[in-house]
Amino acid sequence: GAGVSQTPSNKVTEKGKYVELRCDPISGHTALYWYRQSLGQGPEFLIYFQGTGAADDSGLPNDRFFAVRPEGSVSTLKIQRTERGDSAVYLCASSSGTGEGTEAFFGQGTRLTVV
Amino acid sequence: DAKTTQPTSMDCAEGRAANLPCNHSTISGNEYVYWYRQIHSQGPQYIIHGLKNNETNEMASLIITEDRKSSTLILPHATLRDTAVYYCIVNAGGTSYGKLTFGQGTILTVHP
Repeated sequence: GAGVSQTPSNKVTEKGKYVELRCDPISGHTALYWYRQSLGQGPEFLIYFQGTGAADDSGLPNDRFFAVRPEGSVSTLKIQRTERGDSAVYLCASSSGTGEGTEAFFGQGTRLTVV
Repeated sequence: DAKTTQPTSMDCAEGRAANLPCNHSTISGNEYVYWYRQIHSQGPQYIIHGLKNNETNEMASLIITEDRKSSTLILPHATLRDTAVYYCIVNAGGTSYGKLTFGQGTILTVHP
């Protein structure tokens, strides 16, 4: 595709429910990142994939959050037992590598609202 | 990654240069300075990066002081579409590149 695609663009769920957020990176990009952005704050790193494996998941806030990238392309961020504090915009980005100056391309984000 | 400090907000008249400062006094020798911006309701967009030397591309110029403790992003002829939050990020690149640490950024408002 032309850019990073995230679906859905908006998701409203009830507290305690399970949600999945999808990211389609730019074709051929090996690196994929997930960030979370709360209102009025800068994006906060969650996890980074290089190929199929999670190279760094140190930003995941707790074990309710999990992400996969089984074929090294599409990634899914999964949140179990959602809480109202999980409400935020979840951003996905991809890049062709991780070298100096490699540009990360961001999607438009998924706005998650937990009610 | 080193911490950065930016003004909370700035104004600029359309057509004039916008100069956005950033302090990164604890930057390490192998860390680069990156600038991203985020227009309302969109994902962040890469602008430019540098290590020691000043850099210029089609979007902006980046001036890094000799001691590398601060830098300035210059938008030479600001337009209304440049209104956005601008983030200065220090990152070592390599395998840690994807772990960008965004601060609060500077809200730049370009007015007619």
